[in-house]
Amino acid sequence: DTAVSQTPKYLVTQMGNDKSIKCEQNLGHDTMYWYKQDSKKFLKIMFSYNNKELIINETVPNRFSPKSPDKAHLNLHINSLELGDSAVYFCASSTRTGPLGEQFFGPGTRLTVL
Amino acid sequence: EDKVVQSPLSLVVHEGDTVTLNCSYEVTNFRSLLWYKQEKKAPTFLFMLTSSGIEKKSGRLSSILDKKELSSILNITATQTGDSAIYLCASNSGGGADGLTFGKGTHLIIQP
Repeated sequence: DTAVSQTPKYLVTQMGNDKSIKCEQNLGHDTMYWYKQDSKKFLKIMFSYNNKELIINETVPNRFSPKSPDKAHLNLHINSLELGDSAVYFCASSTRTGPLGEQFFGPGTRLTVL
Repeated sequence: EDKVVQSPLSLVVHEGDTVTLNCSYEVTNFRSLLWYKQEKKAPTFLFMLTSSGIEKKSGRLSSILDKKELSSILNITATQTGDSAIYLCASNSGGGADGLTFGKGTHLIIQP
């Protein structure tokens, strides 16, 4: 009955590798997001997807690419990982017809690049 | 670029004290302001404010928005050790399709 779930919870990998983080929501929301939280706990929006269309793409390197096979999933692919990519990545979802702006967050994926 | 500033960045108080956390925002097309509590994992939703001057309350927590001053406060009365967390303020400047702009958070520590 988890609302927003992410896998894996922890990911440790070497520089230069390619990795993916998966996100699923069972809330029936039409918009999903990826946020990055750095070591200083600052949460910053990376992407949002609405009806399979990219709505926001902040100043994120193109090594990061979101992929949404359907409304309930938004996966994050990262190519050529760098040390600076180490952070906690949160997936979130919301609905346009619900309360304005309320987003539900997944448990986060802690990525460590060695 | 939208901006949200929180103060203080950290705060240590004793159990039973009352605390007030501050949030100011500069956003275009403001729609709502949200407060989240983050302990060890994901941020959990506390309040969403859209109208100025109307207090939202949940138990010992309350929040109010001042659209004239572009600010909001989060009050916690009779604090408990379980209130220790990072409190995040975020603005939403569009419909649900836009990401939230977060402040850096206030790290609140409640000492027994």
